[in-house]
Amino acid sequence: DAKTTQPTSMDCAEGRAANLPCNHSTISGNEYVYWYRQIHSQGPQYIIHGLKNNETNEMASLIITEDRKSSTLILPHATLRDTAVYYCIVRVAPTLTGANSKLTFGKGITLSVRP
Amino acid sequence: GAVVSQHPSWVICKSGTSVKIECRSLDFQATTMFWYRQFPKQSLMLMATSNEGSKATYEQGVEKDKFLINHASLTLSTLTVTSAHPEDSSFYICSATTDSYGYTFGSGTRLTVV
Repeated sequence: DAKTTQPTSMDCAEGRAANLPCNHSTISGNEYVYWYRQIHSQGPQYIIHGLKNNETNEMASLIITEDRKSSTLILPHATLRDTAVYYCIVRVAPTLTGANSKLTFGKGITLSVRP
Repeated sequence: GAVVSQHPSWVICKSGTSVKIECRSLDFQATTMFWYRQFPKQSLMLMATSNEGSKATYEQGVEKDKFLINHASLTLSTLTVTSAHPEDSSFYICSATTDSYGYTFGSGTRLTVV
């Protein structure tokens, strides 16, 4: 699976949009971009994933550049409860590799939402 | 939505004893479950991949005789930390694939060995 690089940390004000960048310059054509987050002392939570089109769900939006070498996770109105470590993961869809395919976590980015 | 239940949420045990952690998929069948370990201020590290009815596949450096994994049914996988020592104190997390794309994680188990 392609490697990702994320800033170590960032902060934003409550109510403002949080834009979390991720670089995945070695991504291959059949690899998806996944985002998970982990609130302190809890298991990771799925946020969103995408292949090449921008995606939006009730939690966030995912913007993938046209060359797919980077992406941005957008939390449109950050709240204090969004303070967490956010992981950007690139990997082939399990439909191609089977359900055995593992998910490998990098260091992630720590988002701190301030009042 | 898909839910993975992990139990216990925290446990304290004496050095030399064994501890069992359960991971259950509540509303779906999970042919594959994954076990992770997370030390303070570090990322999740995959320990093993558990397949129902077969032996688990361990990552390099993980002692299979120390971390016993059983996946006897499609809804239950267990991790037993045998002869636990203080250096095994960590946050253990399980996960299961739920559909073609998603992985659902348990809430984790905080193990403290004293």
